[in-house]
Amino acid sequence: EAGVAQSPRYKIIEKRQSVAFWCNPISGHATLYWYQQILGQGPKLLIQFQNNGVVDDSQLPKDRFSAERLKGVDSTLKIQPAKLEDSAVYLCASSSYRQPYGYTFGSGTRLTVV
Amino acid sequence: KNEVEQSPQNLTAQEGEFITINCSYSVGISALHWLQQHPGGGIVSLFMLSSGKKKHGRLIATINIQEKHSSLHITASHPRDSAVYICAVVGETSGSRLTFGEGTQLTVNP
Repeated sequence: EAGVAQSPRYKIIEKRQSVAFWCNPISGHATLYWYQQILGQGPKLLIQFQNNGVVDDSQLPKDRFSAERLKGVDSTLKIQPAKLEDSAVYLCASSSYRQPYGYTFGSGTRLTVV
Repeated sequence: KNEVEQSPQNLTAQEGEFITINCSYSVGISALHWLQQHPGGGIVSLFMLSSGKKKHGRLIATINIQEKHSSLHITASHPRDSAVYICAVVGETSGSRLTFGEGTQLTVNP
């Protein structure tokens, strides 16, 4: 089966600009996660979707970050406006109902804010 | 204190050496993952454990639920094993959300 697809792989923007990331999970995977990984740290959950509904967005900085999964398949994560501290790798992962703890991760988007 | 602690933070080995990375956690868990992350950023799931021991090729993962401890072993290490290895747990009360350790940077020299 195809893996979790993410784009772009790399992005460099200036602070105060906007940026969007895209994720297409494994076909049939109902649960989709966005994680932020700052250099030298473990990933931190930003938002979890179950189909097109939000399960957990408690750690999403909602003043500047937004995410949607309108049709319960692919998802976009947006940052507007970006700050220097948003420089990180943004990872998308998905899992299925049948194996909810069996994660598949995408290759990530490395964001640099200058 | 983090819910998931890994040791060591950094590990340098010579090709062929036996390697052990440890993970301790402080919460009840439904599952524990060992993940591998190469410099490009993408993460690969190596193992998912809820009890006992699993083996895949040169990799072995063990877990002791009573002691809240897991180990990842690499036998006959090779330079291509160089990566960050991350322990992550699914807490019993956290749905399916993963809580990650900070990772162990492994470098295997030829």
